[in-house]
Formats: sequence, structure tokens, C-alpha cells
Amino acid sequence: EPEVTQTPSHQVTQMGQEVILRCVPISNHLYFYWYRQILGQKVEFLVSFYNNEISEKSEIFDDQFSVERPDGSNFTLKIRSTKLEDSAMYFCAGQAEDPEAFFGQGTRLTVV
Amino acid sequence: AQSVTQPDIHITVSEGASLELRCNYSYGATPYLFWYVQSPGQGLQLLLKYFSGDTLVQGIKGFEAEFKRSQSSFNLRKPSVHWSDAAEYFCAVGLSNFGNEKLTFGTGTRLTIIP
Repeated sequence: EPEVTQTPSHQVTQMGQEVILRCVPISNHLYFYWYRQILGQKVEFLVSFYNNEISEKSEIFDDQFSVERPDGSNFTLKIRSTKLEDSAMYFCAGQAEDPEAFFGQGTRLTVV
Repeated sequence: AQSVTQPDIHITVSEGASLELRCNYSYGATPYLFWYVQSPGQGLQLLLKYFSGDTLVQGIKGFEAEFKRSQSSFNLRKPSVHWSDAAEYFCAVGLSNFGNEKLTFGTGTRLTIIP
């Protein structure tokens, strides 16, 4: 069964460094999302992406964040200059026409 | 803005006992409703969903949920829990926004199973 895959599973980075989190959605997905979950807290929406542009973004998604789908396959989340408070589990999700999101296994980002 | 409330932070039940996890939402119309399960260190797995139609929906692993419009609730139930059901459970709502189905999650309920 096809699934959403995310790489890496765990990323450790120094504060101020740039990180890129990668996601490969299922091939028929049209809508793409990033969510994050700070340890022990709820899952929060970051951004949605459709037709090669951002559809909606949350207050969390400030200028330090960007998304792109450079090759029609990978969907990436870039954090330009990481802060300690960016440490979290980041989930990618994809969705076809049916309003059901399929989540990846997540990337645990640790900023030190 | 829509919101989701899961009033129980932590629930402990005995193996074989029945389970009900509560979820209430706040939204002007009927949203799409979901329950996800997350095992420690793992991703989010969809248990079941409600879009429309029959208000009692069946999901995977023997779970079911009932949508009650009058109570704005979508409670998750299982008649007999197994030790492997120990996990974090999240209720989520989505809005039909021409395909942009941003989800709003509840704070989760941690389920512990005792022998």
C-alpha cells in the first residue's frame, strides 16, 4: 500500500542552522500539508500547499519557514535559521480529492 | 475559528473493558471528523472518519465513533480493549474549503491499559 514517506526520521541541528525536511507524498495526492507537534503537545497546522503555491498558513509559519515542491514529487519544509523552540516532530500529509489526509511517520527535529 | 476539545487527558482501563474517548468540537456547520492514533514515537494513523451519512462509523482495529450533531460530539468507542491499544488518541476536525482540508486537532487522550 502506498504511503507518505519522510526523511530523515531524526535530525539534530545547531541553533541558527538551516534545515530541510523532506516528504514524498503518494503519487495521486493534490494537496500537501505540514504539521508540527511539540513534545507532549497537540498537533498544530503549519501550512497547506496546492497547485505549487501556499493555500493557507498559520501564525507559526513565519518568514523563517518556506515550502516548495521542486520536482513534482518531493515536498519540502525549510527552516532558515532554527531556534530552540523549533524542536518538534514535523509531520507531512498528503491528500487526494477525498478529504482524508495521509500522514507520514514524521521527522523529529532537535535544535541544540 | 473551529476548535476541538478532548476533556480527558489520560484514561486507564483494564484489558477487556470497554472504552469511550470523548471529543467535542465547535464549528458553525458540520465539519469532517477524524480520529487518529499515535503510538510512542510514531506517526498518526487514521482510525476512522465521518464525512456525512450514517452517524455511526466503523474504523480499523475494532473502533467505532458516533457523530451527534445536537451535542457537537464525536466520541470514540471500543467494546473490549487490548493491550496493544495503549497509545495517544487525537480527535480532529476538517473544513471543506475547496480541497484545503486543514485539520484542527484536540489535545489528545493518552490511553493506558492495565492487565
